[in-house]
Amino acid sequence: KAGVTQTPRYLIKTRGQQVTLSCSPISGHRSVSWYQQTPGQGLQFLFEYFSETQRNKGNFPGRFSGRQFSNSRSEMNVSTLELGDSALYLCASSLDGVASANEQFFGPGTRLTVL
Amino acid sequence: AQSVTQLGSHVSVSEGALVLLRCNYSSSVPPYLFWYVQYPNQGLQLLLKYTSAATLVKGINGFEAEFKKSETSFHLTKPSAHMSDAAEYFCAVSDNFGNEKLTFGTGTRLTIIP
Repeated sequence: KAGVTQTPRYLIKTRGQQVTLSCSPISGHRSVSWYQQTPGQGLQFLFEYFSETQRNKGNFPGRFSGRQFSNSRSEMNVSTLELGDSALYLCASSLDGVASANEQFFGPGTRLTVL
Repeated sequence: AQSVTQLGSHVSVSEGALVLLRCNYSSSVPPYLFWYVQYPNQGLQLLLKYTSAATLVKGINGFEAEFKKSETSFHLTKPSAHMSDAAEYFCAVSDNFGNEKLTFGTGTRLTIIP
């Protein structure tokens, strides 16, 4: 069974631009979560989608948004990029979500650099 | 609010020695607890999880962790370290009442000395 895939793996953008990251979950998984990983803040939860609905959201500004499609694939968008948005963005999928203690499977991440 | 504290951002052990990575949690409700490992330039891989069944949890690669409610701890151990264990380890907590996010600790970088 294929794992979680994220595209692209690396991105370089400049301040003020916007970016869209993509995540394809494991087949059959309906929950997709996004996390931001930085050296200073560590791993922080962005949001979680389940059956095309945002079910939970972290403490990030509205510039960070996401969506999920009917095939469970998910995208996240960051508008008006800031230098501080440089990070590794990780996507994780699970059958039904963390609350049921299903294992979250993580993708390799997208490394975003904002210049 | 839930949180986890990992004591020691860097831990070094000799090959063959005991690995002990510390994690303490704070949760107002019975938690689910997880340990993840991250190798360079890779995502996170689940080592083990506690979901209120057995307090001693065995995971992959010879790791195990014991849930101690009285100490609010969930320390990760491995009897004998291998060079391949060098990585960053994260403890994470989630409640089991519909909150769909993991709250991670700050991570512990494990170095194995040959």
